[in-house]
Amino acid sequence: RKEVEQDPGPFNVPEGATVAFNCTYSNSASQSFFWYRQDCRKEPKLLMSVYSSGNEDGRFTAQLNRASQYISLLIRDSKLSDSATYLCVVNDFGNEKLTFGTGTRLTIIP
Amino acid sequence: DAGVIQSPRHEVTEMGQEVTLRCKPISGHNSLFWYRQTMMRGLELLIYFNNNVPIDDSGMPEDRFSAKMPNASFSTLKIQPSEPRDSAVYFCASTLRGNQETQYFGPGTRLLVL
Repeated sequence: RKEVEQDPGPFNVPEGATVAFNCTYSNSASQSFFWYRQDCRKEPKLLMSVYSSGNEDGRFTAQLNRASQYISLLIRDSKLSDSATYLCVVNDFGNEKLTFGTGTRLTIIP
Repeated sequence: DAGVIQSPRHEVTEMGQEVTLRCKPISGHNSLFWYRQTMMRGLELLIYFNNNVPIDDSGMPEDRFSAKMPNASFSTLKIQPSEPRDSAVYFCASTLRGNQETQYFGPGTRLLVL
């Protein structure tokens, strides 16, 4: 079983719609969680951290469910510029390494 | 400010040749990570350094791969001899130790081994 699993997609979503991705992780000792964004043929960049109480950053909402070991990302009022691959990332307690999921590809359709 | 710098950006080589990838981390960052990304396996950590010292190389595929960090501003990843299955995008990332959430990635080196 992979440490971090994501639905690879692709998700093809009309502009203005709401889209949600989930991600599951296998290590119950995982401590920190993030979403990174990777544009086509570019490097990954941090989108947002995921806090236990859930957090928002503009149109983006991230949530964590420790009991079920999954993380979600919700994008509201999607824009064409949201088209990218979204990487779920996990960090284990006492470990400096980040473990990346294989990513969910999102395309926003005009 | 300059971000993480990697060179070359693209490399095409023949099987059996030596390949050297280079990375200059962001000035002041003391942790450096080498990743490999493929369609099948996604982004995999190969090795990381703290204060120029290799901490974990468990992700290095085999003895053909080696990495060095002779000083705080330079690191290399070497593949010798290269094989077609090494074809991938290799990313270098840096951060301040203890701030693992924000790793700053370089633009990557696209390697094709024929």
